[in-house]
Amino acid sequence: SYELTQPPSVSVSPGQTASITCSGDKLGDKYACWYQQKPGQSPVLVIYQDSKRPSGIPERFSGSNSGNTATLTISGTQAMDEADYYCQAWDSSLYVFGTGTKVTVL
Amino acid sequence: EVQLVQSGAEVKKPGESLKISCKGSGYSFTSYWIGWVRQMPGKGLEWMGIIYPGDSDTRYSPSFQGQVTISADKSISTAYLQWSSLKASDTAMYYCARRRLSAFDYWGQGTLVTVSS
Repeated sequence: SYELTQPPSVSVSPGQTASITCSGDKLGDKYACWYQQKPGQSPVLVIYQDSKRPSGIPERFSGSNSGNTATLTISGTQAMDEADYYCQAWDSSLYVFGTGTKVTVL
Repeated sequence: EVQLVQSGAEVKKPGESLKISCKGSGYSFTSYWIGWVRQMPGKGLEWMGIIYPGDSDTRYSPSFQGQVTISADKSISTAYLQWSSLKASDTAMYYCARRRLSAFDYWGQGTLVTVSS
């Protein structure tokens, strides 16, 4: 079965850039998307089709996808960005979520 | 405004059956796939399956095939997730979400299912 691997945690200082990776076999050949989930809340889509932002998502969120790795970048990270982040891809009619990354803003 | 409103929290005993719901509004319910996602306590997101309410075409994750049943009633814009015999390991938060462009763009508020003797 297809798997997506993320680092368990990423720490970032306020105002700095956080990068979260998502690794999977030939992930660059598929579309990747990213979700933000804060404690006690439902996930929110922040990036779809590798690099597109839904309406209402701040410009500081950006994405890329190439080779075996998709990356979510948060530029000028704010305290409100502290959350769990999950990547997701679609492979052979199946949807797969990544293992999740906890982003801590120190 | 697109909304997915899920049924309330449930407390069940092992072996009992359960059906939870997800009602869509603010868009054409029959034109978008609806997926179900499990999140066990303190754990990550797991895709369970997906249904196209327009024709009830349904796909399941291999991990959940045979364990749950996904259905929909397009006349009332509602999707369902059901179990015939719950286990303690089914204790989790369950989310429904609308699929668009291979991502899930709108999510329900979640239904907490607790299975305990």
